[in-house]
Amino acid sequence: NAGVMQNPRHLVRRRGQEARLRCSPMKGHSHVYWYRQLPEEGLKFMVYLQKENIIDESGMPKERFSAEFPKEGPSILRIQQVVRGDSAAYFCASSPSVGSFRDTEAFFGQGTRLTVV
Amino acid sequence: AQTVTQSQPEMSVQEAETVTLSCTYDTSESDYYLFWYKQPPSRQMILVIRQEAYKQQNATENRFSVNFQKAAKSFSLKISDSQLGDAAMYFCASDNAGNMLTFGGGTRLMVKP
Repeated sequence: NAGVMQNPRHLVRRRGQEARLRCSPMKGHSHVYWYRQLPEEGLKFMVYLQKENIIDESGMPKERFSAEFPKEGPSILRIQQVVRGDSAAYFCASSPSVGSFRDTEAFFGQGTRLTVV
Repeated sequence: AQTVTQSQPEMSVQEAETVTLSCTYDTSESDYYLFWYKQPPSRQMILVIRQEAYKQQNATENRFSVNFQKAAKSFSLKISDSQLGDAAMYFCASDNAGNMLTFGGGTRLMVKP
């Protein structure tokens, strides 16, 4: 059973371009969480999704950011018109059910490092 | 709202010695869990240990143990017999209904041979 797979590991975008970050959850996991880690900081929650539904997007910037988790395929975090301040590591975690961080059944991917030049 | 504070940006320990990383938190939740995660240079977030707030007994996982002081809202991590592989960033976190983690700013642990 492969772990949570994120790709690409590294992504470079010019200012104004779009960035698409992919997260394939572990097999059997239908819950996905996205976190952002700015340099020298801790992870900050962005959004929590279940298949085809956004459950909590309270940490998502109101503009330029969107996330989806379709019935088939990976979860996608999309950043439109990137700016230098979007440079960060973006982590995805997946779990089989609600509350799984408590049950130690939620696992993180290795992150995508986005650099905006 | 929840906040988690780690006041030590960096800590250093001699191999085989013991080190304690500090964490304080604030939450309005009555039901919550606390976690310590390790982030090595590979960036992988690895769960080290967790504590259920309603349990008075401190959690222990091999060389890792916590000192949970609920009234003081303190949750420190003790690493015994430190090994070179323990060198990493360590993040303290609290949860909200198990779905959303709030992380502290991290402590970089260096282990000297």
